[in-house]
Amino acid sequence: GNSVTQMEGPVTLSEEAFLTINCTYTATGYPSLFWYVQYPGEGLQLLLKATKADDKGSNKGFEATYRKETTSFHLEKGSVQVSDSAVYFCALYRGGYQKVTFGTGTKLQVIP
Amino acid sequence: DTGVSQNPRHKITKRGQNVTFRCDPISEHNRLYWYRQTLGQGPEFLTYFQNEAQLEKSRLLSDRFSAERPKGSFSTLEIQRTEQGDSAMYLCASSYRQGVTGETQYFGPGTRLLVL
Repeated sequence: GNSVTQMEGPVTLSEEAFLTINCTYTATGYPSLFWYVQYPGEGLQLLLKATKADDKGSNKGFEATYRKETTSFHLEKGSVQVSDSAVYFCALYRGGYQKVTFGTGTKLQVIP
Repeated sequence: DTGVSQNPRHKITKRGQNVTFRCDPISEHNRLYWYRQTLGQGPEFLTYFQNEAQLEKSRLLSDRFSAERPKGSFSTLEIQRTEQGDSAMYLCASSYRQGVTGETQYFGPGTRLLVL
């Protein structure tokens, strides 16, 4: 079946540091890949997505590239801010299964 | 911008009581999903509707759970005879079918249930 594996947290960084959160997936065919962000006490917000191999999703300074050869979709940001502190979920959608499969989430804490 | 809305945002109930949650999707979206999220975990799929038809249910959805989407608009999720293990965040999402790729689900703020 489909699955998503992402690095365990928490990840603690100083403001303006470089961020990488690793994500790999297992799926048949050609899934769409997503990063969602969840702030404390809130629902999930779509951060970025990519629908085919070599696509790069980007939003608010975050980027992730769909790498089919390594089945990965790592999240990166060049300079994190305190306001980026949240839980980040990597996810995939495989047409025909009608549901999004999520990783377990990675908590990011950015300290001033 | 009218996103997905859910009510109530929080619900505290005693074990054995029934609870009902409501979800209002983005107006033009024909698909609606329910997920459950427990502490420290990612959301897990419960069920989904295309218009008013409930097309798939997870094994997580015991017979105490029932969901409806009358007229293909808002949806309700009811839990009967609640148990402490039902305590979780219940998330609703909606999407517009775009074939097998490119479909994006947009999530509501969730309803946090605590069963005492």
